[in-house]
Amino acid sequence: GENVEQHPSTLSVQEGDSAVIKCTYSDSASNYFPWYKQELGKGPQLIIDIRSNVGEKKDQRIAVTLNKTAKHFSLHITETQPEDSAVYFCAAMTTDSWGKLQFGAGTQVVVTP
Amino acid sequence: DTEVTQTPKHLVMGMTNKKSLKCEQHMGHRAMYWYKQKAKKPPELMFVYSYEKLSINESVPSRFSPECPNSSLLNLHLHALQPEDSALYLCASTLRDREGEKLFFGSGTQLSVL
Repeated sequence: GENVEQHPSTLSVQEGDSAVIKCTYSDSASNYFPWYKQELGKGPQLIIDIRSNVGEKKDQRIAVTLNKTAKHFSLHITETQPEDSAVYFCAAMTTDSWGKLQFGAGTQVVVTP
Repeated sequence: DTEVTQTPKHLVMGMTNKKSLKCEQHMGHRAMYWYKQKAKKPPELMFVYSYEKLSINESVPSRFSPECPNSSLLNLHLHALQPEDSALYLCASTLRDREGEKLFFGSGTQLSVL
């Protein structure tokens, strides 16, 4: 089955700096890669996603890149703000096993003012 | 609107109690899910309902019993739970937009089993 590795496990950045989280996956059949942000006491919130027919996607300060050959994808947050502090999860899935997300272990991001 | 509503937000129950978790969405999503999340861990899939029929059961113990009364509602019935079942229980559903289907989570029920 699919295995997703996520690094780093914790990330501390100064407000205004950029943050990068990297994930690798094992199943070449995976074709959908969402990123979730989870704040304390809340459910995971979908912040951006990318499908295997696209190499990069951007939404304001957040961008995701996908390298299918290397089987890795990354989340980039620019101009970080204190409200970006949360746990971020990457995930991978194949469309024939819809809803069966395989999550990475998570990255605790702390943005210090 | 991508809202998935879960009740209650918090639940404390004894090992002999019977309780139910509820999940609701009114966007016509075709599939609904239960995930379990332990502290500092990623969510783990428990059940998938597709068009109101159970399509995936990830070898979940029978003390957890899912039910999908209609396309908007999903329940999780709990009976004879163990303290190790304490966790955040998340409901999710699938919404299709221009790009394809996306999975959205509710805010969860924080369950404590005493």
